[in-house]
Formats: sequence, structure tokens, C-alpha cells
Amino acid sequence: DVKVTQSSRYLVKRTGEKVFLECVQDMDHENMFWYRQDPGLGLRLIYFSYDVKMKEKGDIPEGYSVSREKKERFSLILESASTNQTSMYLCASSLGREYYGYTFGSGTRLTVV
Amino acid sequence: GQNIDQPTEMTATEGAIVQINCTYQTSGFNGLFWYQQHAGEAPTFLSYNVLDGLEEKGRFSSFLSRSKGYSYLLLKELQMKDSASYLCAVRDSGGYNKLIFGAGTRLAVHP
Repeated sequence: DVKVTQSSRYLVKRTGEKVFLECVQDMDHENMFWYRQDPGLGLRLIYFSYDVKMKEKGDIPEGYSVSREKKERFSLILESASTNQTSMYLCASSLGREYYGYTFGSGTRLTVV
Repeated sequence: GQNIDQPTEMTATEGAIVQINCTYQTSGFNGLFWYQQHAGEAPTFLSYNVLDGLEEKGRFSSFLSRSKGYSYLLLKELQMKDSASYLCAVRDSGGYNKLIFGAGTRLAVHP
């Protein structure tokens, strides 16, 4: 089975800190995605990557950046964390246009205080 | 613009049938997905429709009408473990397998 692993399940960070969220997949998937999930808003796409060192902005990229130096790893970076970035962050990966869409990681619940 | 609408909450009784509707208006379309998400967990795949019609998979079925921008998920013989959020998602027509999600429908199943 494909596994998508997010490094932390829960994180608490202070306002202004630089925060790194890590995601690793083990099945050589080309596409990787970062979403945030908030009540009433659903999953919103922050950034995605379709190859090493390639990245595209999603719908809400402001305040975030990403890094993909190796195919299996996709990092989300909060340059200066703010309280409105408190959310559940979900990473997902896919090979192409599979019938099942994505494989998701378990999520990281980030609280910025 | 991109818009996917589904009801916020639904309740149903154990053993009953429930239908969760999803309407979409997106700039491109290349398939519609339904995911199930239990509280605190990752979404898991339930169904996929790319052509019009009904796809049946055990207790769950999903229907798509592309001309109407409409889908539904039908859950039969409801069980308590079906209490979860159900997410409707549309794959856009670009080449990167991007999914656009609705806000999700929280289903509560009561005895």
C-alpha cells in the first residue's frame, strides 16, 4: 500500500516562528499536494508539485512556500506563522489520474499561539 | 469560478438510506470523487464517477449527471460507523490531478 507520512500529528508554534511541515511518500508518485482544512470551508489547496523542484500555487498560497528537493518529500513552510494559519494541514500524493484520486497523509493539526 | 455545494449536516437512523447531494460549477471537469472522513482522520476514497450514471459498490452508490453538474452519494443500510464527513471533490481538466473539494457533509447516524 502507498503510504503518505506527515512528520507531526500535532504542533504548537508561536506567532512569527518559521514552521516546517514535512510529507514523505513511498511509491514514487509524481504529484504531491498540500491542503488546509477548516470547518465550513473544506479542503483548500495551498501548493502542489508535479516533479522535483517544480511547484505551482494553489488557491491560497499567501503566507506559505514549499520545497521539493527529492521526489518523495514535499515540505510546506510557513515563513512567519500567524494565528490565522491555525488549521489542519493535509498532504496528498498521486501518480497520475488514478480512479481513486489521492492518497492522503494523516494530517498535522497546527496551532499558532 | 469554482464552486462545489453540499449540505453542511445530515442526520439519519441506523438501517435507513441517506442521499447526500453535491452540485458543482467548475471551469473544467475530469471526474468526481467521494471521500469519507472520520473525525481526526485522513479522507479515504469511496467512489469515482467520470461518466453519467450510477456506480454501485456494496452499501454505497454514487451517481453523476455532467449536464446538470450534479452528483449524489447513496448510503444504504446505515450503520453507526457511517457517522463521518463526506467530501465531494471534482478533478479539474488540467494535467496535474488537482482536486477541488466541497466543504463536506457531516452525517450523524442515530440508533
